[in-house]
Amino acid sequence: GAVVSQHPSWVICKSGTSVKIECRSLDFQATTMFWYRQFPKQSLMLMATSNEGSKATYEQGVEKDKFLINHASLTLSTLTVTSAHPEDSSFYICSALTGMSTDTQYFGPGTRLTVL
Amino acid sequence: AQSVAQPEDQVNVAEGNPLTVKCTYSVSGNPYLFWYVQYPNRGLQFLLKYITGDNLVKGSYGFEAEFNKSQTSFHLKKPSALVSDSALYFCAVRAPNAGNNRKLIWGLGTSLAVNP
Repeated sequence: GAVVSQHPSWVICKSGTSVKIECRSLDFQATTMFWYRQFPKQSLMLMATSNEGSKATYEQGVEKDKFLINHASLTLSTLTVTSAHPEDSSFYICSALTGMSTDTQYFGPGTRLTVL
Repeated sequence: AQSVAQPEDQVNVAEGNPLTVKCTYSVSGNPYLFWYVQYPNRGLQFLLKYITGDNLVKGSYGFEAEFNKSQTSFHLKKPSALVSDSALYFCAVRAPNAGNNRKLIWGLGTSLAVNP
């Protein structure tokens, strides 16, 4: 149980285009999802906390208008990187909480974004 | 401020030997502590957590961790390492009085290399 999927697993796009990454909880309802960014051989950087039906809470320094997060249902959150630039190239990972009384985050497999 | 420290960037151990990956934390109150493992180009997998109760916590793949309140540590251990344990290990903490803020504070990760 507690399986989280991400799509796509990798994407290459041209500078200036937008890319949408989906995060789905497959066998549970996730009221809260998190979006992380990870640079090579580095730790996780939390970008935002996404709660179903409400606006995402962004971490300091993360551009809300560039990284659009939508959590429209209890099983789906999306991250859209708008007007992508090469510096946005990174590994993006989502995670989900299985309920209000748990603190264990279950992670998706990640999405490798390369912006040319 | 809340923080997590993983003092070793890399740990090398021979297959069959015991392994320890260190983690210390700084958080007010009784912490929630977690260990996750990340294999190359993959998302994170949950290994174990400490919330309350027995200080020795057993988790997946034969791993265990011991909560030491006086030393504010939560070291990950395994009695006999396998080559397949080679991966990146992350320690994380959450303050119990964080209310609706359920995000985790992450260590920088420790790369474990198990040599045949």
